[in-house]
Amino acid sequence: AQSVSQHNHHVILSEAASLELGCNYSYGGTVNLFWYVQYPGQHLQLLLKYFSGDPLVKGIKGFEAEFIKSKFSFNLRKPSVQWSDTAEYFCVVVNTGGFKTIFGAGTRLFVKA
Amino acid sequence: DTGVSQNPRHKITKRGQNVTFRCDPISEHNRLYWYRQTLGQGPEFLTYFQNEAQLEKSRLLSDRFSAERPKGSFSTLEIQRTEQGDSAMYLCASSSPTGGATYEQYFGPGTRLTVT
Repeated sequence: AQSVSQHNHHVILSEAASLELGCNYSYGGTVNLFWYVQYPGQHLQLLLKYFSGDPLVKGIKGFEAEFIKSKFSFNLRKPSVQWSDTAEYFCVVVNTGGFKTIFGAGTRLFVKA
Repeated sequence: DTGVSQNPRHKITKRGQNVTFRCDPISEHNRLYWYRQTLGQGPEFLTYFQNEAQLEKSRLLSDRFSAERPKGSFSTLEIQRTEQGDSAMYLCASSSPTGGATYEQYFGPGTRLTVT
């Protein structure tokens, strides 16, 4: 079955701590990979994306993610989190036709000031 | 604001009633998606339109659910004979395959449905 698994449902960090959110997917084909973020009271918005090329991709606000094909993983990282990074983060897989989208269950990050 | 809009933002209805939600995508986007999100879960894909054609439907979309995009612009999602299990946030997103066809989706604020 096609699925996206996010390793942690809740993460609490202090400001300046490093962040890594795990994401593994199961999909029988070529995929496009995304991380979306939802800040409190706001819409889902794109954080970063991978569809080909360099497996290390950089997104907004200092976030980056690494695609490891052999591990079916697309982990999100940030070297030093800020209080404003408090949000829910979703790992997303989209098939190459662009019409089938699978979200992970999300990880709620709380950053203590 | 030129983003994706959804109406209404909140809907409370009694079990058995029909409800209809509207989504207005970003104007130049030809792809439109509907999702359902329940508490503690990520959005679940319901259906997808390319222009006016409904190309993909999840098996989550029971026969009580129907979606349309009559002119390839706005879309409606109707739920007939609502059940309490239909209570959820219904999200709409749109995208346009430009450049490298990366399928980035732009999301609306959602319609929160409560069935009493």
